[in-house]
Amino acid sequence: DGGITQSPKYLFRKEGQNVTLSCEQNLNHDAMYWYRQDPGQGLRLIYYSQIVNDFQKGDIAEGYSVSREKKESFPLTVTSAQKNPTAFYLCASSIGARGHSPLHFGNGTRLTVT
Amino acid sequence: AQKITQTQPGMFVQEKEAVTLDCTYDTSDQSYGLFWYKQPSSGEMIFLIYQGSYDEQNATEGRYSLNFQKARKSTNLVISASQLGDSAMYFCAMREGQSGGSNYKLTFGKGTLLTVNP
Repeated sequence: DGGITQSPKYLFRKEGQNVTLSCEQNLNHDAMYWYRQDPGQGLRLIYYSQIVNDFQKGDIAEGYSVSREKKESFPLTVTSAQKNPTAFYLCASSIGARGHSPLHFGNGTRLTVT
Repeated sequence: AQKITQTQPGMFVQEKEAVTLDCTYDTSDQSYGLFWYKQPSSGEMIFLIYQGSYDEQNATEGRYSLNFQKARKSTNLVISASQLGDSAMYFCAMREGQSGGSNYKLTFGKGTLLTVNP
């Protein structure tokens, strides 16, 4: 079955360490996204990528980095520069960005930094 | 200013009854798309229904329908015949147009927590 796989489901790190969240899709979608969700909040866009080897900052990119070396993969690195990294991270993909193409989401990674 | 406003932090409904979840939006674009997602306690985001700004009819998808009032900039989600499995967070989101180009970003509201009582 096609879908988006995020791993791991839960991640624990010490403050000051970089951590990389995995996102893989087999939907053959061109666009991929990373969103962050905090308790009681909606989703906020961190980074997105329209095609391989290209990505753009979203609304809250500071302290994060991404790469898009393959169409299927869009890993997110949470760096030590991110002041409040503890959150639920959701990866998504879409066929394109026109009109009615919805985002398809993975199951998320819950990151806890202590 | 918030682009997507969901004024109901929580809603309760009896099983088998209908419920309406409110969403208003703010955009100066003529072309835009509105989406609703469901997020169960497990965390995944499930796409429910879409309404385009030029669609003349309200969107329907099974038990989900939208009450789209363009002049009032609102797109309320109606869930008919509620089921216990409908208990979840519901998010409204918007993709704004860019003069015929693409806009990849979806902007989300803060969500409404729906609880279906037996």
